[in-house]
Amino acid sequence: DAGVIQSPRHEVTEMGQEVTLRCKPISGHNSLFWYRQTMMRGLELLIYFNNNVPIDDSGMPEDRFSAKMPNASFSTLKIQPSEPRDSAVYFCASRTSVTDTQYFGPGTRLTVL
Amino acid sequence: AQSVSQHNHHVILSEAASLELGCNYSYGGTVNLFWYVQYPGQHLQLLLKYFSGDPLVKGIKGFEAEFIKSKFSFNLRKPSVQWSDTAEYFCAAYGNNRLAFGKGNQVVVIP
Repeated sequence: DAGVIQSPRHEVTEMGQEVTLRCKPISGHNSLFWYRQTMMRGLELLIYFNNNVPIDDSGMPEDRFSAKMPNASFSTLKIQPSEPRDSAVYFCASRTSVTDTQYFGPGTRLTVL
Repeated sequence: AQSVSQHNHHVILSEAASLELGCNYSYGGTVNLFWYVQYPGQHLQLLLKYFSGDPLVKGIKGFEAEFIKSKFSFNLRKPSVQWSDTAEYFCAAYGNNRLAFGKGNQVVVIP
């Protein structure tokens, strides 16, 4: 199994630009999670989906952030417009409902100048 | 809300020393517990997990953790560390449909 796949691995952009992060969960996993990791705040849950439906988006910092999961094998996290304080590593994770173990992708390191 | 506390954020020790990382969680219901490891520049990987049964859990790379329900703790241990154990270690607790992470322990092993 290829594991959770994220793209791009690195993204450098200028303030005000739109950023789209992509995630492909492990096949057969029906829950998907987006996390943000920073030195100051550690690992924070932004949003998670169950069977493609957003269940809890209380961790999404503000309206500039949006996430979609159009099908079981793909999700996006979009930031529009981006700001320097959005710089972080964004992880996607997936799990089956049975094991409750989340498997993490390699992350996308986002730098907003 | 559920929370996870990890102490001693930075730990520096020599090879062959013993390592213990503390983890306390706040959730009072049924909880599943995890330790993840993040090697430099890499993503989080599962070290071990506890769902039920024997409270002493053995994971990969010689790590083990003990679940003590009365103390709401799930401490991670390794009797003899190696340089390759240099990483950040995260404790996590799953309950009420949410996985909460601690802030992590940055562990540096000196050869």
